[in-house]
Amino acid sequence: ETGVTQTPRHLVMGMTNKKSLKCEQHLGHNAMYWYKQSAKKPLELMFVYSLEERVENNSVPSRFSPECPNSSHLFLHLHTLQPEDSALYLCASSQDGGAWGYTFGSGTRLTVV
Amino acid sequence: KQEVTQIPAALSVPEGENLVLNCSFTDSAIYNLQWFRQDPGKGLTSLLLIQSSQREQTSGRLNASLDKSSGRSTLYIAASQPGDSATYLCAVWNTGNQFYFGTGTSLTVIP
Repeated sequence: ETGVTQTPRHLVMGMTNKKSLKCEQHLGHNAMYWYKQSAKKPLELMFVYSLEERVENNSVPSRFSPECPNSSHLFLHLHTLQPEDSALYLCASSQDGGAWGYTFGSGTRLTVV
Repeated sequence: KQEVTQIPAALSVPEGENLVLNCSFTDSAIYNLQWFRQDPGKGLTSLLLIQSSQREQTSGRLNASLDKSSGRSTLYIAASQPGDSATYLCAVWNTGNQFYFGTGTSLTVIP
């Protein structure tokens, strides 16, 4: 596989569930990102990992917990979410910050019921 | 903080027309600007990346220009086709850890 792969594509979860989103990049990049996209809003940066270390959080609620076990994999662990967390969650990767642009995955459409 | 604006928010054109999408940003000290396409419910596909030292980039029917000093970029689409219907987003990078995105222009090309 090439590029950035996200799984699952769609996820419906109850407010008491625990689930995880997965992202994998096959580009040899050294930074990975989670973004949230809600209707009519700009993309919101949630987490940045550079060289496997988290460098930015942006005060995201603790019900979202990222994990980056190596430079190719990124997870977003979800627990006790709220209906307003329903959105498209996008993973991206880059090399050397944004010097050469971003590559995005196809996203996970999350619905919290 | 960098702010990115895209005008218009929505655009509808007949097939075959040439069109221009606009992107403006408040902090001109950018390193690069990237244009993306997003189909409904899907991820972002990179179209063009313009470094700050460049004035324009071209790919097929797409041409993106950058005027860093005035904080503007345009995406020109020639001979539009129904398959071009999508949301187009621009993003700028000032160094640091994130790109700043606009809210996008939703384009509909009518057959």
